[in-house]
Amino acid sequence: DSGVTQTPKHLITATGQRVTLRCSPRSGDLSVYWYQQSLDQGLQFLIQYYNGEERAKGNILERFSAQQFPDLHSELNLSSLELGDSALYFCASSAPSGTENSPLHFGNGTRLTVT
Amino acid sequence: DQQVKQNSPSLSVQEGRISILNCDYTNSMFDYFLWYKKYPAEGPTFLISISSIKDKNEDGRFTVFLNKSAKHLSLHIVPSQPGDSAVYFCAASFNKFYFGSGTKLNVKP
Repeated sequence: DSGVTQTPKHLITATGQRVTLRCSPRSGDLSVYWYQQSLDQGLQFLIQYYNGEERAKGNILERFSAQQFPDLHSELNLSSLELGDSALYFCASSAPSGTENSPLHFGNGTRLTVT
Repeated sequence: DQQVKQNSPSLSVQEGRISILNCDYTNSMFDYFLWYKKYPAEGPTFLISISSIKDKNEDGRFTVFLNKSAKHLSLHIVPSQPGDSAVYFCAASFNKFYFGSGTKLNVKP
């Protein structure tokens, strides 16, 4: 158990809809990262938050947005969903910045299916 | 722009033998390298890492080698066990984490 919790595990929705994916990081971790994995491809970095603030952005579509709340949990909002958005969405967290290099710890992901 | 590449999508090895997974990167600024293992329906699990100031790091059956001049990273698993069958991702970091596309390892009993 990585200590990173993601809900829901599965989500099935229709095109054009909006969904929210939730992530609780490991206790003590301040950074949260979101990744997308489509059809046995690699992990595509979407966005990173550190202690409530956006730290880095990757290949995140404008239809997608995220935030990190004061209690450090994070939500990824996906809107105007398209069939191509069907994927596994992973959240990861890491130790506070300023410590030595530390690995990302991943949740078990949310599998999104857009029909 | 794929900065971390795993050119072998799959690898099959006999139980008890050595598994060698390879990874190449392009950005010389990367200073931290990692390997993750992923089973179906689970998230990637951190396996082992190495800082750019080292060329080898060992943890039990797992050893990671870093060749900075060749911009090459490898993971050796000795001896391989059927439970090691999974997808292995390499990753490199400099401010952000970049992941390869994964290598599916099959260890045959």
